[in-house]
Amino acid sequence: DARVTQTPRDKVTEMGQEVTMRCQPILGHNTVFWYRQTMMQGLELLAYFRNRAPLDDSGMPKDRFSAEMPDATLATLKIQPSEPRDSAVYFCASGFDGVGQYFGPGTRLTVL
Amino acid sequence: GEDVEQSLFLSVREGDSSVINCTYTDSSSTYLYWYKQEPGAGLQLLTYIFSNMDMKQDQRLTVLLNKKDKHLSLRIADTQTGDSAIYFCAETNIHGGATNKLIFGTGTLLAVQP
Repeated sequence: DARVTQTPRDKVTEMGQEVTMRCQPILGHNTVFWYRQTMMQGLELLAYFRNRAPLDDSGMPKDRFSAEMPDATLATLKIQPSEPRDSAVYFCASGFDGVGQYFGPGTRLTVL
Repeated sequence: GEDVEQSLFLSVREGDSSVINCTYTDSSSTYLYWYKQEPGAGLQLLTYIFSNMDMKQDQRLTVLLNKKDKHLSLRIADTQTGDSAIYFCAETNIHGGATNKLIFGTGTLLAVQP
C-alpha cells in the first residue's frame, strides 16, 4: 500500500530555531506539493515541484521558507528562523501526470 | 482567479443520505475531486470526476457534476458515524498532461448524529 510519508509527525520548537520537515513521495510520482493548514487560513499551497524542478513557490514566504528536492525520493521544507505564526500542520502530497494528489499524514508544527 | 466554495457545516442522522455541495468558477476545470479529512489526519482522496462526465458512482458515493452551473455535489448514501469528517472539494485544470495544482474549497464539516 503506497503512501506518502512525512517526518517528524510533531515538532515543538522555540522562535528563531530552524525547522526541517521531510517528505517521501510515493515511488514513481513526479509531482510533489507542500501545503500548510491552519484554522484561520484553511489549506494553502506553499510550493510544488515536477520532476524535482520547482514550478511554483509563490505561496511561500521567501525570506524564511525554502523547499527543495535533493532527489526523487525526498522533499524538504525548511523554515529559518521560525516564528509563532508558522505554527500549523504542514502537508506534503504527491501525484503523477494524471489524476489526483495523495497526501501524507502531516507535520504538526508548534513554534513557541 | 479560480475560486471554489462550499457550505461550512452539514448535520445528518445516521442512516440518512448526506449531500455536500460545491461551486467553482473555473470554466476550464478538467478534473474535480472530493477529499475527506478525519481529525488529526491528512486528506484522503475519495473520488474524482472528469469534466466531460455528469455522474460517477462508487459504492455509497455518488458525484454529480453540472458543468453549466459549475456545481459539484457528493452524495453519501446510508451515512455512518464514521463518515463524520471535513470534506473538501477541489478542482484542477490540467495543461499538457501535467498534474497541475489543485484549488481547494474551504471544506464542509459533516456531523453524523447517531
